[in-house]
Amino acid sequence: AQSVTQPDIHITVSEGASLELRCNYSYGATPYLFWYVQSPGQGLQLLLKYFSGDTLVQGIKGFEAEFKRSQSSFNLRKPSVHWSDAAEYFCAVGYTGRRALTFGSGTRLQVQP
Amino acid sequence: GAGVSQSPSNKVTEKGKDVELRCDPISGHTALYWYRQSLGQGLEFLIYFQGNSAPDKSGLPSDRFSAERTGGSVSTLTIQRTQQEDSAVYLCASSMGLAGGTGELFFGEGSRLTVL
Repeated sequence: AQSVTQPDIHITVSEGASLELRCNYSYGATPYLFWYVQSPGQGLQLLLKYFSGDTLVQGIKGFEAEFKRSQSSFNLRKPSVHWSDAAEYFCAVGYTGRRALTFGSGTRLQVQP
Repeated sequence: GAGVSQSPSNKVTEKGKDVELRCDPISGHTALYWYRQSLGQGLEFLIYFQGNSAPDKSGLPSDRFSAERTGGSVSTLTIQRTQQEDSAVYLCASSMGLAGGTGELFFGEGSRLTVL
């Protein structure tokens, strides 16, 4: 069965520092990959998605992610973190014909002033 | 409406009681999903509706859980004889099509269930 691993439960960075959140998936087929953000008291919002083509995808709020097939990874990056980026981030994977997305357990980001 | 609407936003109930959670998806979205988010856990898939097709119930944790979708729109998730381990945030999402295809999921803010 497919699975999604987010190895970092909690990350703290200073405002203005760069950020990388890790995501690994396990399955043989080519996946569709997503990053969602959940701010306190709010629903999940899509940051970006990868379906095919260019393996570096740009999303909202200055985020980007790179699909690396050889590493089964889809890490999320941001060059300069803002205090408003403090939230929980979820990686998710889907496959053709599979009806539901499989989500990772999330990474909680804390931003220090 | 403009987004996915869920009610109630918070529900506190006693062990053994039944609860109903409601989801109103984005107009025109054919697919509707229920997920459960427990403290410190990821999102656990519960059930999926697509148009008039039979729902995918493969994620329901026990026969105390059921869901229906009336008229291809509003959905109700029912939990019978609630247990303390049912305490979680129940998230509803809708999409234009299969999420495993090109369909992006749009989430509601969730219903937080606390079973005492």
